[in-house]
Amino acid sequence: GAGVSQSPSNKVTEKGKDVELRCDPISGHTALYWYRQSLGQGLEFLIYFQGNSAPDKSGLPSDRFSAERTGGSVSTLTIQRTQQEDSAVYLCASRSRLAGYNEQFFGPGTRLTVL
Amino acid sequence: GDSVTQMEGPVTLSEEAFLTINCTYTATGYPSLFWYVQYPGEGLQLLLKATKADDKGSNKGFEATYRKETTSFHLEKGSVQVSDSAVYFCALSAQGGSEKLVFGKGTKLTVNP
Repeated sequence: GAGVSQSPSNKVTEKGKDVELRCDPISGHTALYWYRQSLGQGLEFLIYFQGNSAPDKSGLPSDRFSAERTGGSVSTLTIQRTQQEDSAVYLCASRSRLAGYNEQFFGPGTRLTVL
Repeated sequence: GDSVTQMEGPVTLSEEAFLTINCTYTATGYPSLFWYVQYPGEGLQLLLKATKADDKGSNKGFEATYRKETTSFHLEKGSVQVSDSAVYFCALSAQGGSEKLVFGKGTKLTVNP
């Protein structure tokens, strides 16, 4: 079946602009994660969604970052007033919440470059 | 908070050499431990995992054993191949809650023929 998909694959923007990154999780996966991969910080957790529960936003680096998940499926990560330090690869992952261990499956990522 | 420390490399080996990538962790409770791999131009994928102390995860000739007494999860392979060239990430997730992954910085492995 289809894996996790993300769009766009690459995004170049100017400092101060807003950007939206999209994630389509694997069908039926109720848990969805956003991570960021940057040269300086490595791979960092940003936010977690599980069904209709309140998201875990503990990894968001500033209030310029927000995310939503509509209908328990597609998620959008929004970065307002982008800064050069936001340049990174943004990864989305999803997993099921069945009993026992469930693997997180990662998408290919969106490479964001802020000029 | 929880953290993972792994040797950062880069590591360069000849084909058929023995590989060890060290990984230690700090966590409260009993986390699950993972090795993820990122091949050139590809996404992150799970290589192996261990969910409790003394478990050994294995896949594609790679192995790692969950050592609670030394808080370690070192990755080993007896004979590497050129196709193993990739970046390897050690990670943990605390049981319960979001089970978010906490990653090490990654180790780039290059295997030469």
